[in-house]
Amino acid sequence: AQKVTQAQTEISVVEKEDVTLDCVYETRDTTYYLFWYKQPPSGELVFLIRRNSFDEQNEISGRYSWNFQKSTSSFNFTITASQVVDSAVYFCALSETRYNTDKLIFGTGTRLQVFP
Amino acid sequence: GAGVSQTPSNKVTEKGKYVELRCDPISGHTALYWYRQSLGQGPEFLIYFQGTGAADDSGLPNDRFFAVRPEGSVSTLKIQRTERGDSAVYLCASSPILAGGGDTQYFGPGTRLTVL
Repeated sequence: AQKVTQAQTEISVVEKEDVTLDCVYETRDTTYYLFWYKQPPSGELVFLIRRNSFDEQNEISGRYSWNFQKSTSSFNFTITASQVVDSAVYFCALSETRYNTDKLIFGTGTRLQVFP
Repeated sequence: GAGVSQTPSNKVTEKGKYVELRCDPISGHTALYWYRQSLGQGPEFLIYFQGTGAADDSGLPNDRFFAVRPEGSVSTLKIQRTERGDSAVYLCASSPILAGGGDTQYFGPGTRLTVL
């Protein structure tokens, strides 16, 4: 069964700390896609990254980096030198292509609070 | 360019009433998705449209829920005989191409539905 687990419900850090948000997924497919979205207090889901199952290279974008490890079915997200503006709920999501629908399976989200 | 728009932003209705929620996708996007997000949860898939047709409606909870996309652009989610358990944020997303390629979905701001 498809499943995404974000075990950390809430994380609080002080500004400038590094923080890692964990994501573990389950799928029987060999071809799949993983995503991270940010949901700030305004409520709109903001796309952060998309990664396909054949590309295990880590990715860095500014203060954000992602570590994809198929061996442990994990796709973790690290924010370096966190800022107050990073405060939001972060969702990891899985998309399978087997049934020709890209519906997203979301985790329950991790609420990140960054204090000044 | 303009993102996904949803109207109304908030809808309050009474139990048993009929409601319609509208989604206007990004211009040129052929795939359209509806999700529902309950408090403290990740979004849950409802239905996916390829053009005008519903290609996957496996997420609709029961036959009180129905969605249309008659001209392949704007979509309307319709809920009959609303129940208090239908209270949630209804999210719409669109992506540029048809499903199967794990394309990124871009989300609208959502409609917060409250059933009294």
